[in-house]
Amino acid sequence: NAGVTQTPKFRVLKTGQSMTLLCAQDMNHEYMYWYRQDPGMGLRLIHYSVGEGTTAKGEVPDGYNVSRLKKQNFLLGLESAAPSQTSVYFCASSYPPQTLGEQFFGPGTRLTVL
Amino acid sequence: AQSVTQLDSQVPVFEEAPVELRCNYSSSVSVYLFWYVQYPNQGLQLLLKYLSGSTLVESINGFEAEFNKSQTSFHLRKPSVHISDTAEYFCAVSDDYKLSFGAGTTVTVRA
Repeated sequence: NAGVTQTPKFRVLKTGQSMTLLCAQDMNHEYMYWYRQDPGMGLRLIHYSVGEGTTAKGEVPDGYNVSRLKKQNFLLGLESAAPSQTSVYFCASSYPPQTLGEQFFGPGTRLTVL
Repeated sequence: AQSVTQLDSQVPVFEEAPVELRCNYSSSVSVYLFWYVQYPNQGLQLLLKYLSGSTLVESINGFEAEFNKSQTSFHLRKPSVHISDTAEYFCAVSDDYKLSFGAGTTVTVRA
């Protein structure tokens, strides 16, 4: 049982490049989330999904897109990276009827945009 | 939306001394409360949680937190810290199925 995994662990991009971060979970959780972590700001929700085929905006969605084509995967895309998107990105999953608000986190992806 | 305030951004502490990390949240309705810990270069791990029942909750490694509804607080304490407790600690409150996080408190334990 791997829990929540994220690919890649590290990435360096140049301004304007695009990339996709992959999150996978093997706990059969319905809900999945993407956060970004910046110093002194805690974790801020980018986008989330409450089930396969659904997505919704969080607190800081601008510059990001997401897709949830399969229940176990949640992809985060940056179409045209900007230095302000330099951050650590965390994926999480949950199933509120069972996990009662608790979320399970992946190890993170450290992204640097030059 | 909920808001969470962690009153201390940095807490230096000597080994075997007590530590308290303060957390206040905005909601007056029933909530679930969490403390997550992030060790250097790692992801977030659940430390403890309050869902209902006893207002004092404990973790397996000696931390405890007390839910105070009237003061909307969920402070985290440990009576004697170890070097290995050096980490960043996040308080979070659930809002339906989403979590709102505080800005985090960095605890540095010195010998």
